[in-house]
Amino acid sequence: KNEVEQSPQNLTAQEGEFITINCSYSVGISALHWLQQHPGGGIVSLFMLSSGKKKHGRLIATINIQEKHSSLHITASHPRDSAVYICAVFGGSQGNLIFGKGTKLSVKP
Amino acid sequence: DVKVTQSSRYLVKRTGEKVFLECVQDMDHENMFWYRQDPGLGLRLIYFSYDVKMKEKGDIPEGYSVSREKKERFSLILESASTNQTSMYLCASSSGRNHKGYTFGSGTRLTVV
Repeated sequence: KNEVEQSPQNLTAQEGEFITINCSYSVGISALHWLQQHPGGGIVSLFMLSSGKKKHGRLIATINIQEKHSSLHITASHPRDSAVYICAVFGGSQGNLIFGKGTKLSVKP
Repeated sequence: DVKVTQSSRYLVKRTGEKVFLECVQDMDHENMFWYRQDPGLGLRLIYFSYDVKMKEKGDIPEGYSVSREKKERFSLILESASTNQTSMYLCASSSGRNHKGYTFGSGTRLTVV
């Protein structure tokens, strides 16, 4: 079983829809990271959080440490949000990042 | 704008060649990392370094080595490239024990023929 599980693996939405991507983890962590990767490869950090909730523009990330679960929400989705979203946690014996497999989001106009 | 710069965006090398992938960061970060990314497997840690001249094996170090002679530069070396090392390679850096400012490079897509 993977230490970091994301769902769904693939998500197709219509422009304007509210989107939720979920991340569950099984290890003790110090923080959780949401990353965005557009076609072509480069990875951008969206949020790093260890408790509660963070908001940046149309993106909201929440984490529940007790339930070992985090969600990434996108409000009023837009085609430019199409990307792979990756959840990663700082955990394990050396405190390095442990990655989920990613959620591929496609937003149709 | 702070950056992690990888020297090549695309690279094609022959089997058996020695390959150097360079990564430079301008944020004075102590920590640097090399990952490879493959379809269905996600990102996997090859090597990392928490200080100059320091290196630690990640989850998949076999077939790779690294060099960290200066704080800003972390090199990944494929001693004898093989076709199963065809992949996207990503470098990252961060600061301190809390990994502040974790930043990825734009990646190098390596093809070994």
